Amino acid sequence: AQSVTQLGSHVSVSEGALVLLRCNYSSSVPPYLFWYVQYPNQGLQLLLKYTSAATLVKGINGFEAEFKKSETSFHLTKPSAHMSDAAEYFCAVRRSGGSYIPTFGRGTSLIVHP
Amino acid sequence: GAGVSQTPSNKVTEKGKYVELRCDPISGHTALYWYRQSLGQGPEFLIYFQGTGAADDSGLPNDRFFAVRPEGSVSTLKIQRTERGDSAVYLCASSSSGSYNEQFFGPGTRLTVL
Repeated sequence: AQSVTQLGSHVSVSEGALVLLRCNYSSSVPPYLFWYVQYPNQGLQLLLKYTSAATLVKGINGFEAEFKKSETSFHLTKPSAHMSDAAEYFCAVRRSGGSYIPTFGRGTSLIVHP
Repeated sequence: GAGVSQTPSNKVTEKGKYVELRCDPISGHTALYWYRQSLGQGPEFLIYFQGTGAADDSGLPNDRFFAVRPEGSVSTLKIQRTERGDSAVYLCASSSSGSYNEQFFGPGTRLTVL
């Protein structure tokens, strides 16, 4: 079965510092991977997705993620954190069964200090 | 433009009662999804509609849960004989023509079963 593990339920950074949110996946088929962001009291929003094209995927709001098959990882990064990046971030992998419905990890809460 | 809307935003009910949660997808989106998000967890897939029919209902936890989309637009998630363990945020998402396309999420309905 497809699954993801997000390392760290909370990550705290200073404004302007590098953001690194970790995600490792398990998939019995070539994976499709996603990162979503959830702001308080809002729905989830897709940041970026990997669909077997380029291994470095650029998303919205300056985020990017690199697919590393050898490490089964899909970590999310941003060079310089803004206060507005504070949110919950979810890594997800495509479910089995032919659809592209995501199976989500437990989420990582990003805290940005001034 | 109008996004995905969900009503009610909050629902409090008593154990054993019946509840209905409504989702209005983005106009023209043929695919609609329901997820359940428990506290501290990522969203968990429940059911996926393509048009009026359920293309994948493998995520429904038991036969107390049922969802309909009779005209291929609005969908209703129905929960019978609610249990305290059903307390969660129920998320709806929609996408254009199939699960490969980006899902747009609503803000969710917070269900509390007392």
